[in-house]
Amino acid sequence: DARVTQTPRHKVTEMGQEVTMRCQPILGHNTVFWYRQTMMQGLELLAYFRNRAPLDDSGMPKDRFSAEMPDATLATLKIQPSEPRDSAVYFCASGLELGTGELFFGEGSRLTVL
Amino acid sequence: GENVEQHPSTLSVQEGDSAVIKCTYSDSASNYFPWYKQELGKGPQLIIDIRSNVGEKKDQRIAVTLNKTAKHFSLHITETQPEDSAVYFCASFTGGFKTIFGAGTRLFVKA
Repeated sequence: DARVTQTPRHKVTEMGQEVTMRCQPILGHNTVFWYRQTMMQGLELLAYFRNRAPLDDSGMPKDRFSAEMPDATLATLKIQPSEPRDSAVYFCASGLELGTGELFFGEGSRLTVL
Repeated sequence: GENVEQHPSTLSVQEGDSAVIKCTYSDSASNYFPWYKQELGKGPQLIIDIRSNVGEKKDQRIAVTLNKTAKHFSLHITETQPEDSAVYFCASFTGGFKTIFGAGTRLFVKA
């Protein structure tokens, strides 16, 4: 059963600490997206990749957020230093560039920054 | 920039009634309009979609309509059931492989 896997599912950290969230996209998918979900902002696109190359990360606060795809099976989203306003659920999704357009979401990483 | 507006933000209906959620998009180049359902503690999951060359699509109790001229699209759920209670997101695929989501509608179906 192919699915997107995200770790950790839950993370509580203190302000100023580094946080790294990981995503394993569905094997064979060549587009990967990071979304942030808060009550106020809905699903906010942070960054996305095609064939591991970053296409657009304009939704990310550049000074503290970074997103990478070290290889085709791993995408990372790093926050350094973390702030309380970063508290949210972070979703990774993957898809096929030439597929139906459907995105497959992981179950999310819930981040709480104290 | 690209934008998708979604209304209402909250919708409460009686079991068996219909529910309608409406969205408006800004990018006239958008050509694919998916709808996702998000249950508590889970990631969003595609439930139905429509492409720009089609005006309406139906799948059992769920239907979507698209008006490209007005840049409107809507989700219709008939004969609602308690298990339809969830958050629903509309989205538009704007090209450049980017999917932009609406703010979501929290649907409550009262038994």
